[in-house]
Amino acid sequence: DAGVIQSPRHEVTEMGQEVTLRCKPISGHNSLFWYRQTMMRGLELLIYFNNNVPIDDSGMPEDRFSAKMPNASFSTLKIQPSEPRDSAVYFCASSFRQGAWAQYFGPGTRLLVL
Amino acid sequence: SQQGEEDPQALSIQEGENATMNCSYKTSINNLQWYRQNSGRGLVHLILIRSNEREKHSGRLRVTLDTSKKSSSLLITASRAADTASYFCATDAGGQNFVFGPGTRLSVLP
Repeated sequence: DAGVIQSPRHEVTEMGQEVTLRCKPISGHNSLFWYRQTMMRGLELLIYFNNNVPIDDSGMPEDRFSAKMPNASFSTLKIQPSEPRDSAVYFCASSFRQGAWAQYFGPGTRLLVL
Repeated sequence: SQQGEEDPQALSIQEGENATMNCSYKTSINNLQWYRQNSGRGLVHLILIRSNEREKHSGRLRVTLDTSKKSSSLLITASRAADTASYFCATDAGGQNFVFGPGTRLSVLP
């Protein structure tokens, strides 16, 4: 298996632009997680899906952030409009099931908003 | 505040030495996991220990869990330069998701 795939790996954009991050989880995994990592705040859970259904989005910073999972093999995280404080590394992770299962992380998308 | 916090924040050792990192948490847990993150990469799962377990081993890794003290430790024996990374503990706090601590940065010097 190729593991969790994220694209793009790097994104540089200007403030106010829309940013879309993409994730393909490991086949057969039923849970998908979006995290944001910064030096100041560490690794933060933004949202997670179980069987393609958003379960908890309490970590989403504000309405500018939205996430979808239209099917078991694809998810997006969108920021519109983007702001410089959104600059971070965004990770997608998947696990076989919710709960006491290992999470498998993608390589991350490094986002810089100018 | 973080559910789990690693200690120390940073650790430098010589190759061949053992490295010990600790994780303390505040509320009762069902499970605790340790992950490794190499610079510029995603996190990699190392080991999961359940609340009814006291110790687990995986290769050169040894994890202990003391629920009475709400703490866990990760021991890496005979460290190698390739072990240089950040190490995170993640606790479920009785819920369905794992909350990650701020991590310990380990540097293994050749």
